[in-house]
Amino acid sequence: AQTVTQSQPEMSVQEAETVTLSCTYDTSESDYYLFWYKQPPSRQMILVIRQEAYKQQNATENRFSVNFQKAAKSFSLKISDSQLGDAAMYFCAYSGSNTGNQFYFGTGTSLTVIP
Amino acid sequence: DGGITQSPKYLFRKEGQNVTLSCEQNLNHDAMYWYRQDPGQGLRLIYYSQIVNDFQKGDIAEGYSVSREKKESFPLTVTSAQKNPTAFYLCASRISGSTTNEKLFFGSGTQLSVL
Repeated sequence: AQTVTQSQPEMSVQEAETVTLSCTYDTSESDYYLFWYKQPPSRQMILVIRQEAYKQQNATENRFSVNFQKAAKSFSLKISDSQLGDAAMYFCAYSGSNTGNQFYFGTGTSLTVIP
Repeated sequence: DGGITQSPKYLFRKEGQNVTLSCEQNLNHDAMYWYRQDPGQGLRLIYYSQIVNDFQKGDIAEGYSVSREKKESFPLTVTSAQKNPTAFYLCASRISGSTTNEKLFFGSGTQLSVL
């Protein structure tokens, strides 16, 4: 099974500041996808951003961007201009073409936004 | 609107009782998944199904059973053999064979507790 590691159980950021959440993964595949999902207190899982491994360009979605380092198997999420609504659990996830269509999740990072 | 509906939102199980969690989707997705979420452990895969009348065990299938008689429905039964069923259960689906839209869509979850 693939492994996804989030080494920061908790993070905090001042409102309007920038924060980076870390994620590393282990795989022998060359074709795969990486995701960041957000889970607010409602517990609804929301896709934040997605990266295809074959694309060299880092994905961006408004204030959210990733730093994808394929050789290092690293996939960090940067949140710019943090807002109170960004407070949530953030999960990193992996899906590979040879892993039976399974998605593997990290243990999550709880982000607190300080007013 | 298309989406995934999980019911009930809260469920209580008595000792020795089987309970069934409902998951229905109208997204016309082929693949469906059940995840269990415990605090600090992220999402763990229980079962998944890529096509009607077929399903595979995930990492923690013991004490659970599923069926996939219709494309839209993927119910999960928590049997009396599952000794620690208290958790948040998430159902998800994805389009099969699409590389441009690879992602999981989630329901709003069911919180199961033991009386």
